[in-house]
Amino acid sequence: GAGVSQTPSNKVTEKGKYVELRCDPISGHTALYWYRQSLGQGPEFLIYFQGTGAADDSGLPNDRFFAVRPEGSVSTLKIQRTERGDSAVYLCASSSYLAGVNNEQFFGPGTRLTVL
Amino acid sequence: ELKVEQNPLFLSMQEGKNYTIYCNYSTTSDRLYWYRQDPGKSLESLFVLLSNGAVKQEGRLMASLDTKARLSTLHITAAVHDLSATYFCAVDMDSNYQLIWGAGTKLIIKP
Repeated sequence: GAGVSQTPSNKVTEKGKYVELRCDPISGHTALYWYRQSLGQGPEFLIYFQGTGAADDSGLPNDRFFAVRPEGSVSTLKIQRTERGDSAVYLCASSSYLAGVNNEQFFGPGTRLTVL
Repeated sequence: ELKVEQNPLFLSMQEGKNYTIYCNYSTTSDRLYWYRQDPGKSLESLFVLLSNGAVKQEGRLMASLDTKARLSTLHITAAVHDLSATYFCAVDMDSNYQLIWGAGTKLIIKP
């Protein structure tokens, strides 16, 4: 079946601009995660959705970052007033999370964001 | 604070050799995941280990989990160049939906 998809695959923007990154999870997966990955690092947690609600947004670095998942499927990560330090690969993952049983996460191909 | 430590962080080896990557974690957990990441690519799930003593094998890779020792190993047998990648382990906690990630082991296998 279809995996997690993310668009765009690459985004180049200028400092101060607004960007939106989209994630389409595996059908039926209720849990959705956004991560950020810098070169040579592991994934850095940003936000977790269970259904439509953001159950944990503690990883968002500041209030310029916001994410929504209005219908419990597709999610959009929004970054306002982008800064050069926001440049990274943004990864989305989904899982059929079962607490205490299995939380194998399936990752999308990522969006490479470059802020000039 | 929960920590997940992988070692080594970097490994260069010759084709045909065997080696083991270690993943230690600091809290009780019965579930651990291994992922592979090729340069410029996303993370691919390799193994899901869901209980103490779990062992999974795929080709030249074998992963095991010892929850009492809080240790997982990823063993590479007769390495081939195609296994060159960065390998991450991630620990699943009962009380938290997050996976806690190791820093990754960059593996280079020379022909």
